[in-house]
Amino acid sequence: EPEVTQTPSHQVTQMGQEVILRCVPISNHLYFYWYRQILGQKVEFLVSFYNNEISEKSEIFDDQFSVERPDGSNFTLKIRSTKLEDSAMYFCASSEGGQGWNEQFFGPGTRLTVL
Amino acid sequence: KQEVTQIPAALSVPEGENLVLNCSFTDSAIYNLQWFRQDPGKGLTSLLLIQSSQREQTSGRLNASLDKSSGRSTLYIAASQPGDSATYLCAVRGGSYIPTFGRGTSLIVHP
Repeated sequence: EPEVTQTPSHQVTQMGQEVILRCVPISNHLYFYWYRQILGQKVEFLVSFYNNEISEKSEIFDDQFSVERPDGSNFTLKIRSTKLEDSAMYFCASSEGGQGWNEQFFGPGTRLTVL
Repeated sequence: KQEVTQIPAALSVPEGENLVLNCSFTDSAIYNLQWFRQDPGKGLTSLLLIQSSQREQTSGRLNASLDKSSGRSTLYIAASQPGDSATYLCAVRGGSYIPTFGRGTSLIVHP
């Protein structure tokens, strides 16, 4: 069964460093998403991406964050200068369509620890 | 702003019991509601997706209902098993298509 994959599973970085989190969405999906979950908190939407453009973003997704689809299979989230409060689990998801009725499939997540 | 609440926050039951998990939301103008399962330190596994025009969805021992007008959904788990132990999340998708998640119900099914 096709699935969303994410690498690395765990990333440790120093405050102020740049990190890139990688995702490979399901191959026939066209809409891609990033979410984060701070330990003990709710899952929060960050950004959605379609046709090489951001379609929606939350207030969390500020200028420190960027997303890219560098090739036909990968989808990346970059955090330019990490802060302690960026420590969280980051989930990538994908869906066939972008309308509200499309089911999203999530990857296993990347645990980001900022020291 | 949509608020999603899940009750109870935690539940511990013996194997074999039938369970009801609750999800309530404040804005009834939704497109759909999705139930997920999250195992500790893992990603989210989609369980059921109910469109706003539907009343319920079933998959195996799981049944999810939706009452949009009252802002409620329930996830019914029949004949619970230890392998059902996980956190169950509901997410509501409204006009912007951005899902709002609840905090989840942490379920432990003991043998």
